[in-house]
This record gives sequence, structure tokens and C-alpha cells, in this order.
Amino acid sequence: EPEVTQTPSHQVTQMGQEVILRCVPISNHLYFYWYRQILGQKVEFLVSFYNNEISEKSEIFDDQFSVERPDGSNFTLKIRSTKLEDSAMYFCASREEKLFFGSGTQLSVL
Amino acid sequence: KQEVTQIPAALSVPEGENLVLNCSFTDSAIYNLQWFRQDPGKGLTSLLLIQSSQREQTSGRLNASLDKSSGRSTLYIAASQPGDSATYLCAVRPGGANSKLTFGKGITLSVRP
Repeated sequence: EPEVTQTPSHQVTQMGQEVILRCVPISNHLYFYWYRQILGQKVEFLVSFYNNEISEKSEIFDDQFSVERPDGSNFTLKIRSTKLEDSAMYFCASREEKLFFGSGTQLSVL
Repeated sequence: KQEVTQIPAALSVPEGENLVLNCSFTDSAIYNLQWFRQDPGKGLTSLLLIQSSQREQTSGRLNASLDKSSGRSTLYIAASQPGDSATYLCAVRPGGANSKLTFGKGITLSVRP
């Protein structure tokens, strides 16, 4: 079965540093998403992306966050200046009808 | 604003038991509902997707039902096994081509051998 692939699986960074989380969505999918899950809490929507632009974003997705689809396969989430509260598992997802999730990147901000 | 609730937060059952996991949502104007499984520290695996026009979907020992008007869905697991131990999340998607999922917090299931 096709998969959404995320790298790295773990990322440790210092507060204030920039991080880029990478995703390769399933190839024929057109809708892409980033979600995150803080330990013990709900999976939260961050941003959706369609037709090479953001279609919706949550209030969490402030100016520190950005997404890009730099080529035909990759989909990235950048956090410009990480904060302690950005520590979470970040999931990329893509879909036609059913939503498929990657295995996540565990981000730890120290 | 859509809210998704899953109660109880945790459930422990002996192996072989049939069980029902509940999900409720506040806004019945949904496009579809999806059940996921999450193992500790892992991603989300899609189990079943029910369109708003459907009443249920089945896959192996799993059966998901949807009662849109009352804002409820159930995931039925037949003959539970220790390997079913995981967190089960339901998520609803409203109408609209690019609409996002709203998740419940999940039910952590433990199946005792």
C-alpha cells in the first residue's frame, strides 16, 4: 500500500532555531495537511494545502510557520524560531478521499 | 465549532471479548467520519471511513456505524486480541473539498491475554 513518508523521525533543536520537517505525500494525492499532537492531547490541525497554496490554516499556524511544496514530490513544514511549546509529534497527511498519515516527526525543543 | 468526544478515555478488556468504542460529535453536518488506530509513539493508521450517506462499514473484525442525525459513531471490535491494544481515534470531516478533520482525543484500549 502507498505510504506518506516523513523525515526525520526525531528532531532535537534548541529554542530559537529553525527546523524543517519533510514529507513525501502519496503521489496521486492532491490535498496535503500538517497536524500535530502534543503528548497526551488531541491531534490538532495546522494547515491544509491544495493546488500549490494554503487553503486553510489554524490559529496555531502563525507567522513562525510556513509550508512549501518545492518540487513535485516533497512537502515541507518550516518553523522559523522554535519555542518550547512547539515540542510535539508532527504528522503529514495526504488524501484523495481517505486521509493517510505519515509516521510523524517527534520534535523536541530544548 | 465541531467538537468530537470519545468516552471513556481508556478501556481494559479480557481477550476474546466483543467491544464497542463510542464517538460523538456536535455538528451533524459532516461529509465523512474516519476511525484511526495509533500505537504508542507512532503515526495514525486509517481503519475505516464512513461517508455521511452510509450507515456502516466493515473490515475484518471491525465494524463502524454512523448515525449522523444523533451525532454518533461506534467502532465494534469482535473477538478482541492483545494485538488490538492501541489508541483508537475518530475524526470527522465537514463538507467542502479541502476541509480538515477534527479529532477526538481517542480511547486507549488494552486487551489482556
